[in-house]
Amino acid sequence: ELKVEQNPLFLSMQEGKNYTIYCNYSTTSDRLYWYRQDPGKSLESLFVLLSNGAVKQEGRLMASLDTKARLSTLHITAAVHDLSATYFCAAYLNEKLTFGTGTRLTIIP
Amino acid sequence: KAGVTQTPRYLIKTRGQQVTLSCSPISGHRSVSWYQQTPGQGLQFLFEYFSETQRNKGNFPGRFSGRQFSNSRSEMNVSTLELGDSALYLCASSWAENEKLFFGSGTQLSVL
Repeated sequence: ELKVEQNPLFLSMQEGKNYTIYCNYSTTSDRLYWYRQDPGKSLESLFVLLSNGAVKQEGRLMASLDTKARLSTLHITAAVHDLSATYFCAAYLNEKLTFGTGTRLTIIP
Repeated sequence: KAGVTQTPRYLIKTRGQQVTLSCSPISGHRSVSWYQQTPGQGLQFLFEYFSETQRNKGNFPGRFSGRQFSNSRSEMNVSTLELGDSALYLCASSWAENEKLFFGSGTQLSVL
């Protein structure tokens, strides 16, 4: 059974700093997703990573995938307050998406 | 174009009742999947449908069921509601393999 672990669970960052969220998954996965969720809202798709070495960037967020290590990272560059949210990674296998526990990110001025 | 639409947005039921939730995917999307989100268990997969066929099912009791219609709209049904069924139920759709999954706003179900 595919399991997805995400860390840290909580992260407080100062504005302007860089940090990385880690996502480990237990077995081979077809693809890896990153989502953002604001309080009381649904999930917003950020990235889908399809192959080993894939890197995608949008704004201050960059996601990468290492299928050999079964590891994906979400890197935040020069954080701003608008990035405060809960971030989820999810691994896809056999038409089923398995989510990590989420990382609640708080950006402190 | 319109996003994934879920109805109703909020629902309050009592134990023992049953409930039906609806999901209309983005036009042209044929895959629809359902997820349950709770503070304790996080986001958990319920089932996935493609062209009216259920392709996978999560670890939920038989009280949870679903179906997909020929127009790709999907419904999920929960019978004999329990307090623990209180959750945000999210529906997602996608057009093809390797595509992003787009989520609806969800149905917040409260069981009293």
